[in-house]
Order: sequence, then structure tokens, then C-alpha cells
Amino acid sequence: EDQVTQSPEALRLQEGESSSLNCSYTVSGLRGLFWYRQDPGKGPEFLFTLYSAGEEKEKERLKATLTKKESFLHITAPKPEDSATYLCAVRLLMDSSYKLIFGSGTRLLVRP
Amino acid sequence: GAGVSQSPSNKVTEKGKDVELRCDPISGHTALYWYRQSLGQGLEFLIYFQGNSAPDKSGLPSDRFSAERTGGSVSTLTIQRTQQEDSAVYLCASSSRSGNNEQFFGPGTRLTVL
Repeated sequence: EDQVTQSPEALRLQEGESSSLNCSYTVSGLRGLFWYRQDPGKGPEFLFTLYSAGEEKEKERLKATLTKKESFLHITAPKPEDSATYLCAVRLLMDSSYKLIFGSGTRLLVRP
Repeated sequence: GAGVSQSPSNKVTEKGKDVELRCDPISGHTALYWYRQSLGQGLEFLIYFQGNSAPDKSGLPSDRFSAERTGGSVSTLTIQRTQQEDSAVYLCASSSRSGNNEQFFGPGTRLTVL
């Protein structure tokens, strides 16, 4: 069964304290891995797409990496405004609808 | 519009009533998706539209759920005879074409069934 697991469920950081969020996946074939940010009461906001192992993408304090089994979202020197739920999703190679299969998310709280 | 819009933003209904949720995708986006986000759970896929046709309805939880799309644009998700377990946030997303393009999400409709 295709599965996406995110850890930890929740993470509390002090401002400036760097850390990483994990997304592990077990799928029949990966077409792409997606990271989204979701603020309370809002829809997910697209961050990154990764397609192949070894690929990395960066945006401000965020860096996403991909291996054959997992992806990491590294947060460098986070600020309170980085507090949100971060969602990981995969798109399957053989799925012609290109729908996303989501993990349950990591709730990040960055304290000043 | 600039982004995906959904209406209403909140809907409270009584058990057994029918509800309609609306999604306006980004102009020109041919692919449209409905997802559901229940409390404490991740987003789960409901249905996919390419143009006006729905080639993947595999996520609809029961025959009380249906959706349509007209003019390759607006989509309506209908839930008949609502149950308390239908309470969730219903999210709509669109993308410029099916494939590896990212999906852009609307703000969602929070449905509460009393």
C-alpha cells in the first residue's frame, strides 16, 4: 500500500534553532514529492517539488532534499513566522489522475 | 481571479440535509481536485476533473457524495443526507494541466454537521 509518513508530529523550536522535518514514503513508483505549508484556517501553500533522488531545492530559510525512501525539509535559523503545519505529499508514477497522497503533517512552532 | 476561491467559507447544517460546496479554480487551469481534511487527519483525495469529465472518482466515500464541473471552470461538490462524520474542511485545488505541475489550493470550506 502506498504510504506517506511524517515525523515528528509536532516540533517546537527557539528562534534561530535549526532543525529538519522528515517525510518517509513507501510507494509503487514516485512521480514527484511535494512540500506544502498550511497556516491555520487556510489552504496549503505550495513550497517545493522534488522529482529524483539527490535533488535539492531552496527557498529562503527552507531547503528540501530527496532520497529514494525519504525527504527532508531543513529549516535554517527559523523565525516565528515559519510557524505552520508542513505537509508532504507524493504523486504516483502509474496514477493518471496525478492526485496527491498526503502525510499527516508536522506542526512547527517557533518561539521568539 | 488570482487564486482558487471556494464558497461558502463556513457551512453549518443539520444531519440529513443536503449541502453544496463551490470551487472557482484559477482561470485556465484544466485540472481540478477535491480533497477532504478531517480533524487530526491528513488530506484525503475525493475526486479529479480534467475539463468537465471526472476520470477518477475513487476517493468519494459514499454515493451520497457527487461532484460536477461545468464550462471547464466552476465545480460543485454535493453531499446528500449529511452525516456527522461528513464534518471536515473540504479543499479544492487546480493545476494548469495534469502532469507534474503543482496544485494550488483554495482556502477551503469548513463543514459542520450538527
